[in-house]
Amino acid sequence: DIQMTQSPSTLSASVGDRVTITCRASQSINKWLAWYQQKPGKVPKLLIYKASSLESGVPSRFSGSGSGTEFSLTISSLQPDDFATYYCQQYKSYSYTFGQGTKLEIK
Amino acid sequence: QVQLVQSGAEVKKPGSSVKVSCKASGGTFSNHGINWVRQAPGQGPEWVGGIIPVSGTAYHAQKFQGRVTVTADESTTTAYLELSGLRSEDTALYYCARERPGYCDTSSCYGPFEYWGQGTLVTVSS
Repeated sequence: DIQMTQSPSTLSASVGDRVTITCRASQSINKWLAWYQQKPGKVPKLLIYKASSLESGVPSRFSGSGSGTEFSLTISSLQPDDFATYYCQQYKSYSYTFGQGTKLEIK
Repeated sequence: QVQLVQSGAEVKKPGSSVKVSCKASGGTFSNHGINWVRQAPGQGPEWVGGIIPVSGTAYHAQKFQGRVTVTADESTTTAYLELSGLRSEDTALYYCARERPGYCDTSSCYGPFEYWGQGTLVTVSS
């Protein structure tokens, strides 16, 4: 199985900050990577697919980049609604695998 | 408007089986992969398995080999996850999720999870 490793596990930041979360795949997944946002008690929400394509309705302050094995999710200016847990997921092949998550906390 | 509605919470004894359903409405059912993802308390999501309804071809994570069955009924636009030999570690929220078409290789088609069900809590306890 392809292993997905996110860093950091926890990130403390303030409203207005620019933050970046990194996701590394154990082998090349080309651009077949998605990012999800999950808030407590809620269903994961698709933010980014194909590494850098913004899902419809997702604010433009979210962006994704990368290919191969190294990927990142950047939030350009944190808003109060953005404090949540973020997961990357590869869909290059079965078994689909997720990163362990990055919890974005208010500093 | 695509909606995925799952069956209700289950409490099961260790060693028993559980079958969870996911009823899809809106959009087309057969051509989109339906996946099952579970999330244990305080943990990240874990892919359990999936199916492409039009072909009936099902896939599952290796760790569930021999215990998991994923099926779909095109006539009722419903997908099912059956997990047997339940143990306490299977206690989790189980989600169904529909794929957006991403890309295809010679084996199958793959995509990100665009729509999610509301989740079904499966509790395994003696």
